[in-house]
Amino acid sequence: GAGVSQSPRYKVAKRGQDVALRCDPISGHVSLFWYQQALGQGPEFLTYFQNEAQLDKSGLPSDRFFAERPEGSVSTLKIQRTQQEDSAVYLCASNFAPGLGNQPQHFGDGTRLSIL
Amino acid sequence: GESVGLHLPTLSVQEGDNSIINCAYSNSASDYFIWYKQESGKGPQFIIDIRSNMDKRQGQRVTVLLNKTVKHLSLQIAATQPGDSAVYFCAEKEGADGLTFGKGTHLIIQP
Repeated sequence: GAGVSQSPRYKVAKRGQDVALRCDPISGHVSLFWYQQALGQGPEFLTYFQNEAQLDKSGLPSDRFFAERPEGSVSTLKIQRTQQEDSAVYLCASNFAPGLGNQPQHFGDGTRLSIL
Repeated sequence: GESVGLHLPTLSVQEGDNSIINCAYSNSASDYFIWYKQESGKGPQFIIDIRSNMDKRQGQRVTVLLNKTVKHLSLQIAATQPGDSAVYFCAEKEGADGLTFGKGTHLIIQP
């Protein structure tokens, strides 16, 4: 079956512009996660959804970052008034359901965001 | 594409040898650990996981060892192949939230 799909794969924006990054999780996966990966670093947790509920947004670096998952499937990560330090790869991951014990998160290939 | 291996510790092994990648984790309350492989331009790919009530788990050509006393995790890859070249990350989790990733190790396979 299809894996986690992210679009666009690459995004270039000028400083100050708003961007929106999309994630299509694996069908039926309840949990969805966003991560930010700077060059040469491991991914860092941003936020977590269970269905449409955003249960943890402690990793979002500022109030310019906003994520939503209104129907409990597709999610969008929005960054307002982008700054150069926002340049990174943004990864989305999903897994089946909480309450079934720990399960691996399955990642998409990310969106590489470059802010000029 | 750009390499995710820049500025990371590097492990170089001969093709056919066994590889051991080590990881120190930080949270003694973590109850789940996982290894990912990441190739350039790709997202992390699941390799193997282990729960905190275990100290060893084996998969196909891979073994994960967990030492909770010293908060250490290792990944052993048997008979390393060229396709194993990648950056390897360990990750830990406490509860239901996101993973905390380690710094990563760049595995290079010498012919």
